[in-house]
Amino acid sequence: RKEVEQDPGPFNVPEGATVAFNCTYSNSASQSFFWYRQDCRKEPKLLMSVYSSGNEDGRFTAQLNRASQYISLLIRDSKLSDSATYLCVVNDRPHAGNMLTFGGGTRLMVKP
Amino acid sequence: DVKVTQSSRYLVKRTGEKVFLECVQDMDHENMFWYRQDPGLGLRLIYFSYDVKMKEKGDIPEGYSVSREKKERFSLILESASTNQTSMYLCASSLIWVGWGDNQPQHFGDGTRLSIL
Repeated sequence: RKEVEQDPGPFNVPEGATVAFNCTYSNSASQSFFWYRQDCRKEPKLLMSVYSSGNEDGRFTAQLNRASQYISLLIRDSKLSDSATYLCVVNDRPHAGNMLTFGGGTRLMVKP
Repeated sequence: DVKVTQSSRYLVKRTGEKVFLECVQDMDHENMFWYRQDPGLGLRLIYFSYDVKMKEKGDIPEGYSVSREKKERFSLILESASTNQTSMYLCASSLIWVGWGDNQPQHFGDGTRLSIL
């Protein structure tokens, strides 16, 4: 079983749509959580941290459910430029030098 | 902004060569990491370092070594390159994690696409 699991997609959505990704993690002792975005043949870039109370950044909303051990990312009013792979990332070994575990990514394709 | 710089975007080497990949960060981060990323396998941690001259094995250290002589620089070494080490190599850095509620993301360099022929 993978430590961090995501649906690989692809999610094909029209411009303007709302799309949601979920991610589950296996280690209940995980301490911090992130969503990263990775464009084709580029490096991962931090999209947003995920806090217990949920947090929003413009069109992006992240939620954390510790009891069920899942994280979600909601993208509203999708843009063509949102097309990318979204990586769910968990600090599940916090005492080991801030090692992060990366999910396999969910690919999003926004169509005109 | 955090800047993580990898020495090469593209590199082609031959089997058996010793290969050095260099990474420099300018934010005085304690932690530095080397990953490789392959289709269908995602990001896998090779080695990381939490201080100068300190190193820890990640999930796939075989065939690799690292060096951290200065805080800002973390080098990945392929002692004798093999074709199965053809991959995208990513360096990252972060501050240390200090406790509950502390979110410390990792910041990545542009990556090095290494081909071993």
